[in-house]
Amino acid sequence: GDSVTQMEGPVTLSEEAFLTINCTYTATGYPSLFWYVQYPGEGLQLLLKATKADDKGSNKGFEATYRKETTSFHLEKGSVQVSDSAVYFCALYTSGTYKYIFGTGTRLKVLA
Amino acid sequence: DGGITQSPKYLFRKEGQNVTLSCEQNLNHDAMYWYRQDPGQGLRLIYYSQIVNDFQKGDIAEGYSVSREKKESFPLTVTSAQKNPTAFYLCASSTSGGAGNTEAFFGQGTRLTVV
Repeated sequence: GDSVTQMEGPVTLSEEAFLTINCTYTATGYPSLFWYVQYPGEGLQLLLKATKADDKGSNKGFEATYRKETTSFHLEKGSVQVSDSAVYFCALYTSGTYKYIFGTGTRLKVLA
Repeated sequence: DGGITQSPKYLFRKEGQNVTLSCEQNLNHDAMYWYRQDPGQGLRLIYYSQIVNDFQKGDIAEGYSVSREKKESFPLTVTSAQKNPTAFYLCASSTSGGAGNTEAFFGQGTRLTVV
């Protein structure tokens, strides 16, 4: 079945460092891809999305490109801030299954 | 403001009791979902519904039940048959099961603890 694999955390970075969180997927058909962020004790918020191959989603300095050839959707940010500390989830949706499938999440901690 | 409201935020259950978690949305979304989140783990799908009066089991439906009598409401009951119910429960909604180019919107979650 469909699945999402993302790098295990925690990831600890200094402020202004470059961030990459890897995400790969397995899906039948052509999924839409998402990155969500979760702050402690809260629900998930959409960070960015991409709906077809080669699309780039971006928001708040974060970017991810839908790579069909490598089945990947890696999250990047050029300069992280302490306020970016959270758990990040990669997810996919296929209309054939009507379900959102999530990765296990990657905890990011940014130190001042 | 439009959104998804989950209540209560914290819930304590005694062994052997059934409890119901509320999820209401005013986004006019057709599809609704329940996920369970355990510490350090991802989200696991419990039940989902694409339309009123219809719902499907997710990956971990055992010990849970749902209803979808109204478009805006999708309550989850955690029954006594669920052996390890302590977790963080998240409700979500989206515009349509067939519209894959849209995101799911999440509530703030309910933290259930068995005492």
